[in-house]
Amino acid sequence: DGGITQSPKYLFRKEGQNVTLSCEQNLNHDAMYWYRQDPGQGLRLIYYSQIVNDFQKGDIAEGYSVSREKKESFPLTVTSAQKNPTAFYLCASSMGRRGSYEQYFGPGTRLTVT
Amino acid sequence: DAKTTQPNSMESNEEEPVHLPCNHSTISGTDYIHWYRQLPSQGPEYVIHGLTSNVNNRMASLAIAEDRKSSTLILHRATLRDAAVYYCILRDGAGNNRKLIWGLGTSLAVNP
Repeated sequence: DGGITQSPKYLFRKEGQNVTLSCEQNLNHDAMYWYRQDPGQGLRLIYYSQIVNDFQKGDIAEGYSVSREKKESFPLTVTSAQKNPTAFYLCASSMGRRGSYEQYFGPGTRLTVT
Repeated sequence: DAKTTQPNSMESNEEEPVHLPCNHSTISGTDYIHWYRQLPSQGPEYVIHGLTSNVNNRMASLAIAEDRKSSTLILHRATLRDAAVYYCILRDGAGNNRKLIWGLGTSLAVNP
């Protein structure tokens, strides 16, 4: 089955540690995205990538880093510089960057930092 | 940046039609109107999208106003599985993803 996988579903870390969230897609999509969702809120864009080896900052990129070495993979690292890292993180992909394409989302990773 | 406005919550009865409104008065000519829905602790699910003309698919219909400043998602016969938060967002047809703004959405409750 084609789709987007995120792992793990739940992640716990101590404050001051970097943590990397995995996102893999087998839809052959060019564009991939990372969002953050806080309780009772909408999604906020962290980073997006339109092609391999290229990525752009979204609205809340500070304290996060990404890489896009393969078309299928777009891992997100939450660094110790992110002041409020506890949140629900969602990865998405689309065929292309244009608004004519729908986005497909993974199941999400819930990160808790104490 | 173009934003959307939706009611916080709506309620419907099972097997009745549901009309979910969305206002986007600052929409630009290249913005596509997208609808997604999200169940608790899950990723959003794509529902439908359109540019100018009304759209139908197996999940829903999208009615777009002639001036494109508002749209309505129509669920023809609500089921209990349709209870979710519905998001209306605008995506730039030119691919400027900095304009991706998600509001709070409409929480739809479906009564049996």
